[in-house]
Amino acid sequence: DAKTTQPTSMDCAEGRAANLPCNHSTISGNEYVYWYRQIHSQGPQYIIHGLKNNETNEMASLIITEDRKSSTLILPHATLRDTAVYYCIVRFTKTSYDKVIFGPGTSLSVIP
Amino acid sequence: NAGVTQTPKFQVLKTGQSMTLQCAQDMNHEYMSWYRQDPGMGLRLIHYSVGAGITDQGEVPNGYNVSRSTTEDFPLRLLSAAPSQTSVYFCASSSPGRGNTEAFFGQGTRLTVV
Repeated sequence: DAKTTQPTSMDCAEGRAANLPCNHSTISGNEYVYWYRQIHSQGPQYIIHGLKNNETNEMASLIITEDRKSSTLILPHATLRDTAVYYCIVRFTKTSYDKVIFGPGTSLSVIP
Repeated sequence: NAGVTQTPKFQVLKTGQSMTLQCAQDMNHEYMSWYRQDPGMGLRLIHYSVGAGITDQGEVPNGYNVSRSTTEDFPLRLLSAAPSQTSVYFCASSSPGRGNTEAFFGQGTRLTVV
């Protein structure tokens, strides 16, 4: 699986959009970009994933660049409950194996 | 629907003791995995399984054994606990597919080895 690079930490004002970047310059054509978050030592929680098109769900939006070498997770109106560590993961699933490798992630602090 | 259930939630062991961390999922997922998370660090993959009877090593397998006799259960065994194994352990499960599925995580087992 390709390696990802994320900033160690970020701050965001409550109510503003939080934009979390991720670099994955070695991504291959059949690898997906996934985002998870972990709130205060709970189990990680799935947020969103995509291949090459931008994606949106009730939690967030995912913007993937045209060359697929980077992506941005957008939390449109950050709340204090969005304070968490956010993990960007590149993952290829095939029937013979499936393992998710986590990096250190970005620690997002939403500030009142 | 309980999702991924881990037991126990907390455990204190003495050095050299053995124990098994339990993980069960009720979503009929083929894939299951174990991670450990140390303070201030991300999750590291210990072992994973792509189906009943099939297991493989992750990033940090030493000191841990696993087996997968059923689809539902994926226990993690510590044969001789060491203080370095003090950590929070997470179990996860997912179903096969080309990147169109998420992994579901349990709430963790907090293990202290003294």
